[in-house]
Amino acid sequence: SQQGEEDPQALSIQEGENATMNCSYKTSINNLQWYRQNSGRGLVHLILIRSNEREKHSGRLRVTLDTSKKSSSLLITASRAADTASYFCATGNFQGGKLIFGQGTELSVKP
Amino acid sequence: EAGVAQSPRYKIIEKRQSVAFWCNPISGHATLYWYQQILGQGPKLLIQFQNNGVVDDSQLPKDRFSAERLKGVDSTLKIQPAKLEDSAVYLCASTSLRQSGEYGYTFGSGTRLTVV
Repeated sequence: SQQGEEDPQALSIQEGENATMNCSYKTSINNLQWYRQNSGRGLVHLILIRSNEREKHSGRLRVTLDTSKKSSSLLITASRAADTASYFCATGNFQGGKLIFGQGTELSVKP
Repeated sequence: EAGVAQSPRYKIIEKRQSVAFWCNPISGHATLYWYQQILGQGPKLLIQFQNNGVVDDSQLPKDRFSAERLKGVDSTLKIQPAKLEDSAVYLCASTSLRQSGEYGYTFGSGTRLTVV
């Protein structure tokens, strides 16, 4: 079963703009992770945020986590055409445990 | 370091045939996962191994799917007999306790299965 939902399902922006994707989940978590998947490829880990953290940065990525609302957002700043991919949030109940994925957001960045 | 290796990359079979997928995780990773990703959906866990023991197989359709991880390294996932709804990408992932705390899991490129 899917843990939650991602919003929007699809997002189309111009190069240089910022992209924001949201993820909601249903149960308590230990951590939340974001992955990128290029068409026909495996998933690539982007960033992990623990349940006791509220915000985390990695390069052009910024992730926030609001455990009271059971939601997270991923912000990609100054997007590039190479950022075109599907983005998935995934929640873990404990470190090393199974991840439950959302349905994903399909991001298209036009040059 | 080498990534998670999966083979074959693609497989087309007829319904009721059997198929097997192979996964070689990153060296030293004790935890190995098999996920099924149907087109347009997020991956769904089929089975999780810790070394050569099964941790979670609650969503594995055991009447047709089986998996093993001999010697706690390589793993194979088998489907017998296949159904049309098994058409999906089968992803293998691995992690260690140290990696999972900060860097998540490493996924292979997957095997795209088409059942006709």
